[in-house]
Amino acid sequence: EVQLVQSGAEVKKPGESLKISCKGSGYSFTSYWIGWVRQMPGKGLEWMGIIYPGDSDTRYSPSFQGQVTISADKSISTAYLQWSSLKASDTAMYYCARPPVPAAQDAFDIWGQGTMVTVSS
Amino acid sequence: EIVLTQSPATLSLSPGERATLSCRASQSVSSYLAWYQQKPGQAPRLLIYDASNRATGIPARFSGSGSGTDFTLTISSLEPEDFAVYYCQQRSNFYTFGQGTKLEIK
Repeated sequence: EVQLVQSGAEVKKPGESLKISCKGSGYSFTSYWIGWVRQMPGKGLEWMGIIYPGDSDTRYSPSFQGQVTISADKSISTAYLQWSSLKASDTAMYYCARPPVPAAQDAFDIWGQGTMVTVSS
Repeated sequence: EIVLTQSPATLSLSPGERATLSCRASQSVSSYLAWYQQKPGQAPRLLIYDASNRATGIPARFSGSGSGTDFTLTISSLEPEDFAVYYCQQRSNFYTFGQGTKLEIK
C-alpha cells in the first residue's frame, strides 16, 4: 500500500527550531515529487513547496521562500519541512502529498495524515 | 502568482440536488486544474485532475469541466457524504489553491 506517514504533533515556543517529517512507503520514493501544504486553523489550503527526492530539486511558493526549508533523505524515504525560528503564525496543520505520476508535478492523490504544529509562549 | 477565486463561498443545498461550484483563474492555466474535497479532521481528497478527469475511486456523480480561466465542479445529485469544503488547485505555474467553497446542508 502506498502511504505517506507524517511525524506527530508538536508544541513549540516562538524562536525555537523544528523539523517535521513525511515517510513514504510502498513505492519508489525517489521517483515522485513530494509537496507540502499548510492549513492554518479554520482556513484554506496553501501550497508551500515541492521536492523531487531523486535529485533534491526543490521549488518554493514565493510566500514561503526563505521562511522554511524543504529537504529529503532518500536513504530512509523521508521528506522534511523545517523552520529555524518559529513564530506564532506558523501554528497550523501541515500536510505532505504526492502526485500519482512519477517525475511529474501533478495534482496530489496521496496525502499524509497531517502534522499539527502549535507555536505558543 | 496565479490567483484562483472560488464561488460561491458557501452553497446551501439539500441531498438529491445538483451542486455547481466555480473556480476562476487570474490567468490561463490551460487544463491544469484539480478539485479536492476536504471533510473536518481529514486530509484533502483528490476528486478531479486536469480539469475533467475523475481520480481513482471517485463516483461518477462528480464531474469537472472548463479550460483556460473558468472551471466548474458539478455534483449531479448530492449524497449526505458530499457536504464538505471543496478546493480548486492549479499546477500551470507552481501550484496555488482557491480559498474554498463550503457545501452545507440546507
